Amino acid sequence: GQQVMQIPQYQHVQEGEDFTTYCNSSTTLSNIQWYKQRPGGHPVFLIQLVKSGEVKKQKRLTFQFGEAKKNSSLHITATQTTDVGTYFCADSNTGNQFYFGTGTSLTVIP
Amino acid sequence: KAGVTQTPRYLIKTRGQQVTLSCSPISGHRSVSWYQQTPGQGLQFLFEYFSETQRNKGNFPGRFSGRQFSNSRSEMNVSTLELGDSALYLCASSLGRQGADTQYFGPGTRLTVL
Repeated sequence: GQQVMQIPQYQHVQEGEDFTTYCNSSTTLSNIQWYKQRPGGHPVFLIQLVKSGEVKKQKRLTFQFGEAKKNSSLHITATQTTDVGTYFCADSNTGNQFYFGTGTSLTVIP
Repeated sequence: KAGVTQTPRYLIKTRGQQVTLSCSPISGHRSVSWYQQTPGQGLQFLFEYFSETQRNKGNFPGRFSGRQFSNSRSEMNVSTLELGDSALYLCASSLGRQGADTQYFGPGTRLTVL
């Protein structure tokens, strides 16, 4: 089956430091969605990337889709305590059947 | 608009029992997907329903089943519960357009099997 790997699994950063999570696949991704799940909460949609090499920004968050559409990254500049949570990437190969990455749990130390 | 609602929020069952979980999607959304989330396996896709028909199915045993009603509300049933079925069950609704669609998740049902 399709596998989407995410690294790192855990990341602890000092508040103000940058953070990056990577999503990798052995097969070409049709598109990538990113979600954030706060502790005790449910996944919340952040963004969708469709085109090869696409880059999108949301305030301090920068999302990239690889040129070969086999990887994606989420970069947070100057982390804040509100960024705490687990970040998931998700790929769908057929319509709405999504394969979620393993997730990166971010802890921000004040 | 009201968000996705799931009932019950918490459930405790014993092995061998069966359970039914309910999900009410956002008004106007026709697709409902179900996911199982565990610390070990992460978020795993169970199935998706669109217009009362199962449109996609993940790799779960037949003990896991679902259905969708004409008002788009969906139920998921797990029969002959096993300890390993303990998990957070999330449903997500979307408009259901072909191609990846933004999914809006509910708060989940926390199922504990003793």
